[in-house]
Amino acid sequence: DTGVSQDPRHKITKRGQNVTFRCDPISEHNRLYWYRQTLGQGPEFLTYFQNEAQLEKSRLLSDRFSAERPKGSFSTLEIQRTEQGDSAMYLCASSPGLIGHNEKLFFGSGTQLSVL
Amino acid sequence: AQRVTQPEKLLSVFKGAPVELKCNYSYSGSPELFWYVQYSRQRLQLLLRHISRESIKGFTADLNKGETSFHLKKPFAQEEDSAMYYCAALYNQGGKLIFGQGTELSVKP
Repeated sequence: DTGVSQDPRHKITKRGQNVTFRCDPISEHNRLYWYRQTLGQGPEFLTYFQNEAQLEKSRLLSDRFSAERPKGSFSTLEIQRTEQGDSAMYLCASSPGLIGHNEKLFFGSGTQLSVL
Repeated sequence: AQRVTQPEKLLSVFKGAPVELKCNYSYSGSPELFWYVQYSRQRLQLLLRHISRESIKGFTADLNKGETSFHLKKPFAQEEDSAMYYCAALYNQGGKLIFGQGTELSVKP
């Protein structure tokens, strides 16, 4: 499968624990996005990268959240001291360049996080 | 604020009936508008974008700047159209997509 890959598919954790998710974008896609989706809602923007540079972070992203893309390829999203409100589907997407005109987002299958 | 609104959570129609999924966006410049779709057990994927003025799988969407709307239409719904549909807006070239809450379309036989 040459699409966007996310790992793990499911994560169950206890409140207060740290979790880390990984996203492997489509090869040579220089833009990588993280979204969060809760039940009954659309994807909510968290942050995005162009190569290794983090260009924008949502105000919704508290200090407990951190994302990296150290070599401009895969990315990790870490949540520290998880809370029950963090339970959601975390989606990763990539694009070859600027969205719009002839470009689009390619989504992964997501990581479903459940915080008990 | 940059916002996309889909007023209907669920739209249920019979096969062969016309379909219109509503989408309104907040005016902040001239955003580029998209419809994304998620079929059961599949990934979210692009259906169509307004700038292409295309028809995909029989769906079309017209941008109405006066009403700040981008409704998705299909004259004759098919069972395989059943899916979650998300309207999305790009307010800044090179920026992020902002999604609506989604509308579940259910096409009954």
